[in-house]
Amino acid sequence: GNSVTQMEGPVTLSEEAFLTINCTYTATGYPSLFWYVQYPGEGLQLLLKATKADDKGSNKGFEATYRKETTSFHLEKGSVQVSDSAVYFCALARSGSARQLTFGSGTQLTVLP
Amino acid sequence: GAVVSQHPSWVICKSGTSVKIECRSLDFQATTMFWYRQFPKQSLMLMATSNEGSKATYEQGVEKDKFLINHASLTLSTLTVTSAHPEDSSFYICSATPSGSYYEQYFGPGTRLTVT
Repeated sequence: GNSVTQMEGPVTLSEEAFLTINCTYTATGYPSLFWYVQYPGEGLQLLLKATKADDKGSNKGFEATYRKETTSFHLEKGSVQVSDSAVYFCALARSGSARQLTFGSGTQLTVLP
Repeated sequence: GAVVSQHPSWVICKSGTSVKIECRSLDFQATTMFWYRQFPKQSLMLMATSNEGSKATYEQGVEKDKFLINHASLTLSTLTVTSAHPEDSSFYICSATPSGSYYEQYFGPGTRLTVT
């Protein structure tokens, strides 16, 4: 079945540091890939998505590229801010059913001033 | 932006009782809503897909008689945990997809259920 393996946290960085959170997946067919972010006390919010191989999703300075050859969708940001502190979830949607999501375990990111 | 609310945000109940959790889309209509369960420091697990006006579709391993889902309107879905037991204690999260949308999915803030 489908699964998502995500880099374990927590991750603590200083402001302006480079961020990478690794995500790999196992899926049949051609899934769509997503990164969601959850700020304290709030619901998950879509951060970015990619729907086919080699697509790059980007938003708020975050980027992730759909790599079919390595089945990966790593999240990167060149310079993190304190306000980026949150839990990040990698997810995939089943081929043909873009809304039924399989999530990774989440990575807690803390950015220190 | 689109907002999804859940009520209550936390609930404590005694073993053997039933608990109802509401999920509402506040500013959009949602043909489809989803219910997830999240264990501490673990990922969200999809429990069921709820379509307005029809029976919910449950994921493998989820007891449909224990987790009753009703999606009676385009803005409200409810999850009732029947005859709750301590192992049902968890964080329950709903999400909703605006009617006519394909990728958009908006999440509620979750409901913490503790069964004593």
